[in-house]
Amino acid sequence: QVQLVQSGAEVKKPGSSVKVSCKASGGTFSSDPISWVRQAPGQGLEWMGGIIPIFGTANYAQKFQGRVTITADESTTTAYMELSSLRSEDTAVYYCARAALLLHGFDSWGQGTLVTVSS
Amino acid sequence: DIQMTQSPPSLSASVGDRVTITCRASQSISSYLNWYQQKPGKAPKLLIYAASTLQSGVPSRFSGSGSGTDFTLAISSLQPEDFATYHCQQSYSSPYTFGQGTKLEIK
Repeated sequence: QVQLVQSGAEVKKPGSSVKVSCKASGGTFSSDPISWVRQAPGQGLEWMGGIIPIFGTANYAQKFQGRVTITADESTTTAYMELSSLRSEDTAVYYCARAALLLHGFDSWGQGTLVTVSS
Repeated sequence: DIQMTQSPPSLSASVGDRVTITCRASQSISSYLNWYQQKPGKAPKLLIYAASTLQSGVPSRFSGSGSGTDFTLAISSLQPEDFATYHCQQSYSSPYTFGQGTKLEIK
């Protein structure tokens, strides 16, 4: 049983950056694909990017390329998502999600982290 | 990017009804289609993967079908706990896009 626990809510100013963490327990962290998905208020789900920790190289949606950095620390079984140059449209709940096999969907999710961007 | 289009955007139904939600991909995604249920303030929950395989622990009243570009989620006899938002997602190629969601409400 994989559990993902995310860091707490954040309030940020436009133009700043935010870094959200996702601590995993259970499963095989190193080989499990971890993705980040966001959901703006009242909107659908949006995949931002993902990483397989043992490989270390992240894959990003074009929309976020250059603004998002996804990393993973195998020693602490924690994944991170950093989003820079924040704007009001980035206000959303950010989820980490794990897939035992990417083709088979995300079977474990973190509780979500609300990031509010406001001046 | 592969676009995922769900219909209807919202649906009203009664306990005991059978309902279906459809999801269409902008190109063929074989059977790499997943369905999620999301309740207000909660993370999504995987219901069905690979178009028709029920995730462990999901009640058998949920079923999925389809391949290529057209997919369906069916709920055979709605229970009170099934009123939620349902999302489809393709896992055929990155970026792993989602549909815009279907909100299932009590009539």
